[in-house]
Amino acid sequence: QSVLTQPPSASGTPGQSVTISCSGSSSNIRSNYVYWYQQFPGTAPKLLFGPDSQRPSGVPDRFSGSKSGTSASLAISGLRSEDEADYYCAAWDDSLNVEVFGTGTKVTVL
Amino acid sequence: EVQLLESGGSLVQPGGSLRLSCAASGFTFSFHAMSWVRQAPGKGLEWVSTIGASGDITYYADSVKGRFTISRDNSKNTLFLQMNSLRAEDTAAYYCAKRSHASGSYAADYWGQGTLVTVSS
Repeated sequence: QSVLTQPPSASGTPGQSVTISCSGSSSNIRSNYVYWYQQFPGTAPKLLFGPDSQRPSGVPDRFSGSKSGTSASLAISGLRSEDEADYYCAAWDDSLNVEVFGTGTKVTVL
Repeated sequence: EVQLLESGGSLVQPGGSLRLSCAASGFTFSFHAMSWVRQAPGKGLEWVSTIGASGDITYYADSVKGRFTISRDNSKNTLFLQMNSLRAEDTAAYYCAKRSHASGSYAADYWGQGTLVTVSS
């Protein structure tokens, strides 16, 4: 089954900005909403963005998402130590009728 | 408050069966699609299956198609995953997730804490 491609890692110092890419295809990212999830070690994933990029309560506006064609991006501005986590993108694939997840990116705050 | 509580995970031999349950509360269960997502130890998230709000539409990952069956009981606010012909590669934490819409293509806005399935002899 196809997956969305993310860089395995990203890092920055406190206060810096970090951007994570998510590459897919016309049948998933281009055609549907892209969602981003945050996961801390040993815990369940948590949604960062809902439909139309709505941010669930409690998610700071330092997190933002964008999409262009078959790629999407998650930007974290003003990086903080508590942002150290794994981040996954996901989208529905219209051709395969499956949900595809990104390979995951581990964000490290130096 | 939305709560999703998975149960049923355990150690099972290859070829065996297991039934996972997810008890939901804090929202109108019958209005939302539900999914199972798994995570093998040290690996990323893998979508397993989604069922529509009324239970009439189901989707499966190729890796589980024909072996796993997703179902729901809207009268008991419970989601199920029947897993048959289990393989070592099915070993993972299995998460129950609520969808933000009746359609399964929308965000998984709440997740349970997961139940661990280990397939080993």
